[in-house]
Amino acid sequence: GESVGLHLPTLSVQEGDNSIINCAYSNSASDYFIWYKQESGKGPQFIIDIRSNMDKRQGQRVTVLLNKTVKHLSLQIAATQPGDSAVYFCAENLQTSYDKVIFGPGTSLSVIP
Amino acid sequence: DTEVTQTPKHLVMGMTNKKSLKCEQHMGHRAMYWYKQKAKKPPELMFVYSYEKLSINESVPSRFSPECPNSSLLNLHLHALQPEDSALYLCASSQEEESPLHFGNGTRLTVT
Repeated sequence: GESVGLHLPTLSVQEGDNSIINCAYSNSASDYFIWYKQESGKGPQFIIDIRSNMDKRQGQRVTVLLNKTVKHLSLQIAATQPGDSAVYFCAENLQTSYDKVIFGPGTSLSVIP
Repeated sequence: DTEVTQTPKHLVMGMTNKKSLKCEQHMGHRAMYWYKQKAKKPPELMFVYSYEKLSINESVPSRFSPECPNSSLLNLHLHALQPEDSALYLCASSQEEESPLHFGNGTRLTVT
């Protein structure tokens, strides 16, 4: 029967704490990476992006780290708020086909007030 | 509210019906996308149009037929769908290569 992949990885954090969401990407030829936030009943919303010539980029309350050696991406959210509760997806843009944007499996973030 | 508008928000159709999903953006973006998303899964790429020409078809069954009438509009024509095609269909647009996608809120499709 179908059992693999039915459950999204879940991260629960206390309000005010920092959150770290991890993502392993698949293609070493990818050179542009994006984090999206998807709330229930809505489409994914852009949070922050990073190109492969960088290893860190900061936004407002969010930081993305890129480790190309191990093909790993992380999203750090500072002072997590209840409004941050959502599913977070990393996505990679393939260098060989710039319009091909592929999403990772996603992590469900739940903020405990 | 998003800058990418999808209609209808919900659609129920039988397996013998023909229906269309519509997407509109007025940001002057050159690329438009269709994604399919099942519950608790990531969006899966279906089609990409670049400058109104189909540039990517991810081996999607022919019962899904995309159309890009102009640079602002994207349609997805549906015919003889199966119950397993029930999903959230998301439209997105982007301005240039290596730029974020802007998504609509999707059409929730149920095939009975």
